[in-house]
Amino acid sequence: AQKITQTQPGMFVQEKEAVTLDCTYDTSDPSYGLFWYKQPSSGEMIFLIYQGSYDQQNATEGRYSLNFQKARKSANLVISASQLGDSAMYFCAMREVGTGNQFYFGTGTSLTVIP
Amino acid sequence: ETGVTQTPRHLVMGMTNKKSLKCEQHLGHNAMYWYKQSAKKPLELMFVYNFKEQTENNSVPSRFSPECPNSSHLFLHLHTLQPEDSALYLCASSHRLAGGIQETQYFGPGTRLLVL
Repeated sequence: AQKITQTQPGMFVQEKEAVTLDCTYDTSDPSYGLFWYKQPSSGEMIFLIYQGSYDQQNATEGRYSLNFQKARKSANLVISASQLGDSAMYFCAMREVGTGNQFYFGTGTSLTVIP
Repeated sequence: ETGVTQTPRHLVMGMTNKKSLKCEQHLGHNAMYWYKQSAKKPLELMFVYNFKEQTENNSVPSRFSPECPNSSHLFLHLHTLQPEDSALYLCASSHRLAGGIQETQYFGPGTRLLVL
């Protein structure tokens, strides 16, 4: 079974609008971390935001916030006030404490911001 | 230099060539990783080095040979590759804490490899 599922291969958003990128995960480990990365066309994976399984509040980093719904095993990324520079691939990832070093990545969502 | 750097950024090689990819991290981390990213597939973890010791090798063919001389440098030696090995190869590093959940991996810009 897929550990990380991103069901939106491509998304479009109008500049200055908010957009939600979906991510669901599968784990039986009570201790895990969820990460979002941005990958522009240049190739570098840029870390955006982190949410721990025991964190009570949703993580926020500037215009990025993570809508963490533990019971539903979802960790959606919300980008507010989209900018043209937000156009990129976005990857959701998970690390389970039980599997040590392993990071599991989704297949990514391509976001295009329209002026 | 800051962060994680990778050289070369682009590489074209024939199936009989031998080449090496280099990764260097300037973050004081103690773990380093090689990933392969192919089109429309999730990132595939290839190798993990923790304190210079290889701790994982995810069934990677022997034509890929990693080397980690110290905690700041990581190499991927390539020989007799196949066209299906064409991909983006990403290096990452992290600070390993025992039992830590928030162990963020920081990535380099990648090497785009084309095997002819």
